[in-house]
Amino acid sequence: EVQLVESGGGLVKPGGSLRLSCAASGFTFSSYNINWVRQAPGKGLEWVSSISSRSSYIYYADSVKGRFTISRDNAKNSLYLQMNSLRAEDTAVYYCARAKGDVETARDYWGQGTLVTVSS
Amino acid sequence: QSVLTQPPSVSAAPGQKVTISCSGSSSNIGNNYVSWYQQLPGTAPKLLIYDNNKRPSGIPDRFSGSKSGTSATLGITGLQTGDEADYYCGTWDSSLSAYVFGTGTRVAVL
Repeated sequence: EVQLVESGGGLVKPGGSLRLSCAASGFTFSSYNINWVRQAPGKGLEWVSSISSRSSYIYYADSVKGRFTISRDNAKNSLYLQMNSLRAEDTAVYYCARAKGDVETARDYWGQGTLVTVSS
Repeated sequence: QSVLTQPPSVSAAPGQKVTISCSGSSSNIGNNYVSWYQQLPGTAPKLLIYDNNKRPSGIPDRFSGSKSGTSATLGITGLQTGDEADYYCGTWDSSLSAYVFGTGTRVAVL
């Protein structure tokens, strides 16, 4: 069974940093492109970042470019999101989601999400 | 601000059919596959349709997808109370080099 489990969320002050993790199991992690998607309270889905299977290709939404860094450790079946210079508008549930094929394709499995709250 | 536009809400009686539209442009829907996601209250999104009209295993054939030009449509037949959820379209935008989601549509079963 494919499982994605996010962790690392919490309360952080504006300007602060946080590192999210996503632990994968039930599939060959190193063969798949993985993504971060977020959802602000009461709002819609917003794609944040994507990383290809061997980290060769990385993409970011304009809203996080220069502040967030996506990375992965295939030996540990883990995905990460380093979030710096956090703003109130970054408050959201952050999901990791597997891409079915190429990075452009459907997000076929999702984790349960981890909540990040940016507030003083 | 999303580049894919959906109606905020649709509703119908149990057993009826609803359709949800997703309008985009040539840089996204027009030249890339569309997916649809269902998000039940308080849960993570779930893939319903991929590659415009394909259903993952376990998704009932009451759910269908289609695409024409720069628009896509999700259809739900035999509406059930368990279908009450938010539905999002999604696709890659080649100009933005970004995955984009629609604005979301809430389905209500009257």
